[in-house]
Amino acid sequence: AQSVTQLGSHVSVSEGALVLLRCNYSSSVPPYLFWYVQYPNQGLQLLLKYTSAATLVKGINGFEAEFKKSETSFHLTKPSAHMSDAAEYFCAVRPDRGSTLGRLYFGRGTQLTVWP
Amino acid sequence: DADVTQTPRNRITKTGKRIMLECSQTKGHDRMYWYRQDPGLGLRLIYYSFDVKDINKGEISDGYSVSRQAQAKFSLSLESAIPNQTALYFCATSDPGQGGRNEQFFGPGTRLTVL
Repeated sequence: AQSVTQLGSHVSVSEGALVLLRCNYSSSVPPYLFWYVQYPNQGLQLLLKYTSAATLVKGINGFEAEFKKSETSFHLTKPSAHMSDAAEYFCAVRPDRGSTLGRLYFGRGTQLTVWP
Repeated sequence: DADVTQTPRNRITKTGKRIMLECSQTKGHDRMYWYRQDPGLGLRLIYYSFDVKDINKGEISDGYSVSRQAQAKFSLSLESAIPNQTALYFCATSDPGQGGRNEQFFGPGTRLTVL
């Protein structure tokens, strides 16, 4: 069975500090990977996705993530947190890369709090 | 205008009532999905549809049914609502793209409370 693990259901950082949200996946082959963000009272929107050979992926709002096959990880980072980054973040995996029949599996989410 | 819309946005109902949640999209995507979100559990897939004639169960389909009325419309029904179906429900669409690399697009959600 495919799975996505997000370590830490809550992460708190000070404004200006590094943001690191962790995501590990289980898949027999390198999958496609996605990070979504959910602001209060809104739906999910895509932050970034990994679908190619470039292992470092840049997304919106200054976020980036690095695909590490050896660690089966796709951690999300941002060098300097802003108050507006406070939201819930979801990692998702499409395990059957190359197939159009696949679906996404989501992690349980990490709530990011940014302190002034 | 939003590409993926959901109605209603909020609904309070009583145990045993039949409820329908509706989703419409203007993105022209063939694939549509229904998820529920519960605190600490992330998003769980209820049903998904790859085209009008194709409906598939997700991992938590018990107590739910769906109807794909057209490419643009995908409805979720709770035939007899129960309190543990209180949750935030999301509709999503996708055009998978080459090799399934494209993302899903989400509606704003419907907050359902079953008393």
